[in-house]
This record gives sequence, C-alpha cells and structure tokens, in this order.
Amino acid sequence: DAGVIQSPRHEVTEMGQEVTLRCKPISGHNSLFWYRQTMMRGLELLIYFNNNVPIDDSGMPEDRFSAKMPNASFSTLKIQPSEPRDSAVYFCASSLSYNGNTGELFFGEGSRLTVL
Amino acid sequence: EDKVVQSPLSLVVHEGDTVTLNCSYEVTNFRSLLWYKQEKKAPTFLFMLTSSGIEKKSGRLSSILDKKELFSILNITATQTGDSAVYLCAVDSFTGGGNKLTFGTGTQLKVEL
Repeated sequence: DAGVIQSPRHEVTEMGQEVTLRCKPISGHNSLFWYRQTMMRGLELLIYFNNNVPIDDSGMPEDRFSAKMPNASFSTLKIQPSEPRDSAVYFCASSLSYNGNTGELFFGEGSRLTVL
Repeated sequence: EDKVVQSPLSLVVHEGDTVTLNCSYEVTNFRSLLWYKQEKKAPTFLFMLTSSGIEKKSGRLSSILDKKELFSILNITATQTGDSAVYLCAVDSFTGGGNKLTFGTGTQLKVEL
C-alpha cells in the first residue's frame, strides 16, 4: 500500500497567492483529516470528512481556507489569499472508521508551506 | 471545546533512564485515546487505548488509561537515543456526524548518551 500521498512536499509562495494542497488517502479508508502543525500550536485539526462529506470545519481558521473531497480518493485544501501566518506543515491523514471509532490514523508526509 | 493537555512539554534524560509522559483530556463522547511518535516527519502510531486499567505494551513502551480520572501515561523504560522524538497524545471523540481526533501539543523527549 502506498500510504497517504500528499503534494506538494514543499511550497514557497508570496503573500496573496493561492495555494492548493492535495491528498490521496489510503484506498478503502472512509475518514480523511486535514491538520496544521506549528511549533506554537502543535497539531490543529482543520477539517475532517467522513465518506467524502465534511463533518466539522470549525477548525478552519478563516474564510480564506477551504477544503473539498470530490471523491473517496482525493481531497484538496486551498488557501486564498495566503498570508505569512499560514506558514506551517499541513498534514493529511486517513483512517477506516468503524463502530463509532476513528481507528488508527495514517498520516501523509506533510506539505511544508512557507508564505513570504 | 475538546482539550488534550500533555506534560511535561519537554524532557531531557540519559540513556537507560525510565520516563513517564502524561496526557489528560476533557472531551465529550470519548471513544479512545491514542499515542503517536513523531520524529522528523509524520506521526506514527504507537497505541490505542479504550478501556481503563488495561496496560498496552510494545517492547520498552507501555501505556495505560484511566477513564475515571481522564488521563493516560506512556512509559518508556531503558531509554535509547532512538527514542528521541515528540510524543503525541490524541483523543478520539464522537461528534454529530462522525469521529475526530484531537491532539495535544506533545512532549519533546531527548535522550542523551
């Protein structure tokens, strides 16, 4: 199994530009999570999907952030316009939820975003 | 709002020492507590705990959950330099439409020779 695949691995952009991060979850998994990690705040849950449906996006910091999951094998996290404070590592993770449990969460390698 | 608090924030020990990492939580509709290890890249899974008082063990690592007092500990015995990492605690809780994992900020462990 290829695991959770994220792209790009690194992105450097200028303030005001649009950023799109991509994620391919593990085949067969029914839950997908987007996290943001910084030194100051640790791992923050931004949004999660269950069976491609967004369940809770209360962690999305602002309207500049949006996420979609058009099908079971693909999700995007978009930031438009980006700001320097968005600089962080963005992780996508997936799991096979069952009987009301998330189960083991498998993480992608992360996308390191730097906004200048 | 769900909360997961880990302590200490960081720890430096010598090889061979035993360490205990703490995790306390306040969540609604608790399902399970998970421990992850994060080195330079993505977190990797260590344990999932659902029942109080039952120790999970893997080599030199062990963990136990107390659902009455709402905390868990992760023990590492005979530490090695390869144990140096950030250890993350996460709590699985059920919301209206599904489950979510809330992470603590982690404990940074450094094991020195």
